Amino acid sequence: AQTVTQSQPEMSVQEAETVTLSCTYDTSENNYYLFWYKQPPSRQMILVIRQEAYKQQNATENRFSVNFQKAAKSFSLKISDSQLGDTAMYFCAFTFRTGANNLFFGTGTRLTVIP
Amino acid sequence: EAGVVQSPRYKIIEKKQPVAFWCNPISGHNTLYWYRQNLGQGPELLIRYENEEAVDDSQLPKDRFSAERLKGVDSTLKIQPAELGDSAVYLCASSLEGGRGRDTQYFGPGTRLTVL
Repeated sequence: AQTVTQSQPEMSVQEAETVTLSCTYDTSENNYYLFWYKQPPSRQMILVIRQEAYKQQNATENRFSVNFQKAAKSFSLKISDSQLGDTAMYFCAFTFRTGANNLFFGTGTRLTVIP
Repeated sequence: EAGVVQSPRYKIIEKKQPVAFWCNPISGHNTLYWYRQNLGQGPELLIRYENEEAVDDSQLPKDRFSAERLKGVDSTLKIQPAELGDSAVYLCASSLEGGRGRDTQYFGPGTRLTVL
């Protein structure tokens, strides 16, 4: 079974600073995708960034980047130059590369950006 | 382009009552998902449709939950009768094709159900 663990229930960061959210996962598969989703208060969940497990290069999307350590099964999200709009729940998620596209989510990290 | 639409946004019912949630996916998206998100948890898949066929309903409590996707577009998720433990946010998502892991899922705003 696939499990995704987010060990930080809550975090806070000062505006313009950098914060890193942690995620570990467990799977026996070798080919898969990892995601970070953002769920702002009372708004819908949106995709922040995606990492393909067979790619060694870490994914980046503007101020968001990941540190993907496949051997350690670790997938952390770094948010640089934090903005007030980054305040949200962040979910780490996993899916297989082939077959079903079902997402397996962690329990989330609530991030608060402090002005 | 319109996103995934869900209604109602909020629903409060007494236990043992029936309730239904509606979802309209992004136009052209063949795959539709229903997730349940309990308080303080990540979403968990209930059922996945490929067009009008339910291809994964292994996590759907079939004694009280049912779902349909007529004509492979809109979908309805029903609970009858509702129990206290069904209080959660029910999320609908859609993707262009469900058979590839890289296919992005787009989520609706969810329906927050409270069972009293």
